[in-house]
Amino acid sequence: EAGVAQSPRYKIIEKRQSVAFWCNPISGHATLYWYQQILGQGPKLLIQFQNNGVVDDSQLPKDRFSAERLKGVDSTLKIQPAKLEDSAVYLCASSQRGPADTQYFGPGTRLTVL
Amino acid sequence: AQSVTQLDSQVPVFEEAPVELRCNYSSSVSVYLFWYVQYPNQGLQLLLKYLSGSTLVKGINGFEAEFNKSQTSFHLRKPSVHISDTAEYFCAVINDYKLSFGAGTTVTVRA
Repeated sequence: EAGVAQSPRYKIIEKRQSVAFWCNPISGHATLYWYQQILGQGPKLLIQFQNNGVVDDSQLPKDRFSAERLKGVDSTLKIQPAKLEDSAVYLCASSQRGPADTQYFGPGTRLTVL
Repeated sequence: AQSVTQLDSQVPVFEEAPVELRCNYSSSVSVYLFWYVQYPNQGLQLLLKYLSGSTLVKGINGFEAEFNKSQTSFHLRKPSVHISDTAEYFCAVINDYKLSFGAGTTVTVRA
């Protein structure tokens, strides 16, 4: 069974530029998550989709971050414009049903904002 | 308010010695508790979880954790570690239908 795929693995941009990350979850998983992991901290949930609807986006900085999940499968996370404090690893995960199910994580995208 | 607190940021340990990683959770949250591990250059993976039932939970790679409601703790243990257990370990809890992670404990196993 293929795992959660993410791309790119690394991205370096300058502040005020825009960037997009892509995630392909495990086939058949209804719930998809985007987390932000700042160095030295645990992952923080940014947004949670169930199928193609948003369940929770309370911690998503909506003035600059946006996310969508097309047809309940792939998802993209966008930052526009980026700030220095957005430097982090962005993790995508999926689970069969809700967050109490085992979440399977992708390798992450390491973003550096200069 | 912090939902889960990991009491040790770094734990150095010798190979074949026991290890315990401490985790306390807020009593206001649900008692769905997890330990995830992140090996170097790999994604997070589930070690074990407690949803209900027996308070002693066994996970992968010889790890186990005990849910203690009176002390609001969910400490992770392994009786004998290997070099390959070097990793970052995260305690997590379901809070408001989302997974909330602690800050992590870095375990470094030395020969």
